[in-house]
Amino acid sequence: DTGVSQDPRHKITKRGQNVTFRCDPISEHNRLYWYRQTLGQGPEFLTYFQNEAQLEKSRLLSDRFSAERPKGSFSTLEIQRTEQGDSAMYLCASNRRGGLSGNTIYFGEGSWLTVV
Amino acid sequence: KNEVEQSPQNLTAQEGEFITINCSYSVGISALHWLQQHPGGGIVSLFMLSSGKKKHGRLIATINIQEKHSSLHITASHPRDSAVYICAAHGGATNKLIFGTGTLLAVQP
Repeated sequence: DTGVSQDPRHKITKRGQNVTFRCDPISEHNRLYWYRQTLGQGPEFLTYFQNEAQLEKSRLLSDRFSAERPKGSFSTLEIQRTEQGDSAMYLCASNRRGGLSGNTIYFGEGSWLTVV
Repeated sequence: KNEVEQSPQNLTAQEGEFITINCSYSVGISALHWLQQHPGGGIVSLFMLSSGKKKHGRLIATINIQEKHSSLHITASHPRDSAVYICAAHGGATNKLIFGTGTLLAVQP
């Protein structure tokens, strides 16, 4: 297994543009999480999917943010009309409820966003 | 007050020293994770604990559920241990991780 993969790893965009990040979780994992991390801070929870259902969204996820996991496999996080404050690393993680791995969570390498 | 707090925020040690990083949480949890983050972002899960103690190589993690406290210990520290160490509480009522702000560890040769 290649682990959790994220694409792109780095994105520089002009303010006002839309960006989309993709996360491919570990194949048998039914749970997928998005976090945002700014420099010097721990990751902050954005949203969480179980299979294709988006079960929880943070208040940090404004109307400009939308996340999907249409077939319960990969997920996308879209940011519309980006603002400089959106500059951060967007982390994806996945795990599987129950089973031998329990709740061990696996992280992707993150997608760095810089809004200029 | 953050729901998950770590101390210290920064730690500099000499190679070979025994290191302890502490984590206190105020929420009910189903598990507590210790994570390692290297510059550039990649996060690796070191331990997942729901009780007691776990050991992996030079790393030891303990948790006291009653006191809502966990510690990560590194024995015989090495410069390659230099990283940010983050504890994260896996909420009992929800499935999201609540992260501490991390401890930046620098081990000097």
